[in-house]
Amino acid sequence: QSVLTQPPSASGTPRQRVTISCSGSRSNIGSNTVSWYQHLPGTAPQLLIFSDNQRPSGVPDRFSGSKSGTSASLAISGLQSEDEAVYYCAAWDDSLSGRWVFGGGTKLTVL
Amino acid sequence: QVQLQQSGPRLVEPSQTLSLTCVISVDSVSSASAAWNWIRQSPSRGLEWLGATYYRSKWYTGYADSVKSRIIINPDTSKNQFSLLLNSVTPEDAAVYYCVRSTGAFDHWGQGTLVTVSS
Repeated sequence: QSVLTQPPSASGTPRQRVTISCSGSRSNIGSNTVSWYQHLPGTAPQLLIFSDNQRPSGVPDRFSGSKSGTSASLAISGLQSEDEAVYYCAAWDDSLSGRWVFGGGTKLTVL
Repeated sequence: QVQLQQSGPRLVEPSQTLSLTCVISVDSVSSASAAWNWIRQSPSRGLEWLGATYYRSKWYTGYADSVKSRIIINPDTSKNQFSLLLNSVTPEDAAVYYCVRSTGAFDHWGQGTLVTVSS
């Protein structure tokens, strides 16, 4: 059971826009920034979004992040076949001794 | 481009100690702006942060409560690397282990090591 809640799956057709949600609580998303990761099979996860809505250099502007209260979202516009992957959200959690927490991951299928 | 190269045994016997090392290129384990983390991924537990070490005028370490009694993360400035020791492993510790740099987010990952726990 992951601390951050994501839908297990999402899908869309090429060129469509999809969003993936990430729900947390006051001690994590409500107090700290959210990051998003793309995980392709056989590779390490790759940072897509940091500080809620910032893209590292090299990440296409088709990827965008937002946050409101204790929830965050990742949006992918102009969906492409190579976007098919598992997406994770993460945030620091101030509870207990402090720790990083993750969502359970959302498998995105491009139909 | 920062690179993290992991090494260590892929098979560990139950009750023994899992030991992995991560060599850092194009950054320093003593960086004042980075933390050096170990994260694991398994089908049953998903992504799980295990702990980190970082330097801010002195060395700090932080561990997840779930493994706090069994884990040590050590920096090695002479080799510009950091290591993971997880003792008393059980089959539940089988996972892909990653060493990861964080600067507010996890921005550089090692290649991952699939660790099996079996006799």
